[in-house]
Amino acid sequence: AQSVAQPEDQVNVAEGNPLTVKCTYSVSGNPYLFWYVQYPNRGLQFLLKYITGDNLVKGSYGFEAEFNKSQTSFHLKKPSALVSDSALYFCARTRADRGSTLGRLYFGRGTQLTVWP
Amino acid sequence: GAVVSQHPSRVICKSGTSVKIECRSLDFQATTMFWYRQFPKQSLMLMATSNEGSKATYEQGVEKDKFLINHASLTLSTLTVTSAHPEDSSFYICSARGRSLNEKLFFGSGTQLSVL
Repeated sequence: AQSVAQPEDQVNVAEGNPLTVKCTYSVSGNPYLFWYVQYPNRGLQFLLKYITGDNLVKGSYGFEAEFNKSQTSFHLKKPSALVSDSALYFCARTRADRGSTLGRLYFGRGTQLTVWP
Repeated sequence: GAVVSQHPSRVICKSGTSVKIECRSLDFQATTMFWYRQFPKQSLMLMATSNEGSKATYEQGVEKDKFLINHASLTLSTLTVTSAHPEDSSFYICSARGRSLNEKLFFGSGTQLSVL
C-alpha cells in the first residue's frame, strides 16, 4: 500500500540545536514528496517539495529536506532550531507516479515539534 | 501567499442533523479542491476531489450520499455531512489548487466536527 510514515509523534529540541523530523514512504513509482507545517488554529502551510534533481531540497523558514531513494526517506532538517518552529509537521507524497493528480496526497500522521528556549 | 478560508472552525451538532462546511479561496481561482478528514493520532485521509462545475470524485469507502460536495464556483466548495452521527466526528480540512499555482496546495484551517 502507498503510505507515508512519520515514526515520531513528538520531537523535542533545544533552541539553537539542529533538528530532524523523520519521514519514510512506501515504494511505488516516483512520487512527489512534500513537507507541510501547521501552526495552532492555522491551515497547513507548504514548506518544501521534492520532484526531481538535487536530493537536498531547500524550503521556507530555513528548512531543508534530503531525499534518499535507497532508504525511501525524506527527513526534514534545520541546522538551528527556533522556538517559533514549534508546530505540527506533516510529510506527504503524491498518490502514484509523478504527474498523478496533484493534491491527491497520502499524509503521515504528523510530528509535533517542540523547541525549548 | 494564496489564502484558503474554511468555516466554521468548530461545530457541535445533534445526531441526525446536517452540517455544511465552506471552503473559499480568497485570492485565487481554485480549479480543484480536496477534502480531507483526520481522526485523532491518524493521518489526513483524502475523502474526495472536486473540480469546478463537475461532480466530485470520491475515494474508496467514502459515501457520496453522506458527504455531499458542491464546487459551484472557482472560489467556493462546500462539504455537507448529512444526517451526522457520532462516528462522523472528526477534523475536516479542505485544500485548493489553482491553475497558476503549480504543485502547491493551500489548505484551510480545518473544521472540528463533534456530533453528540
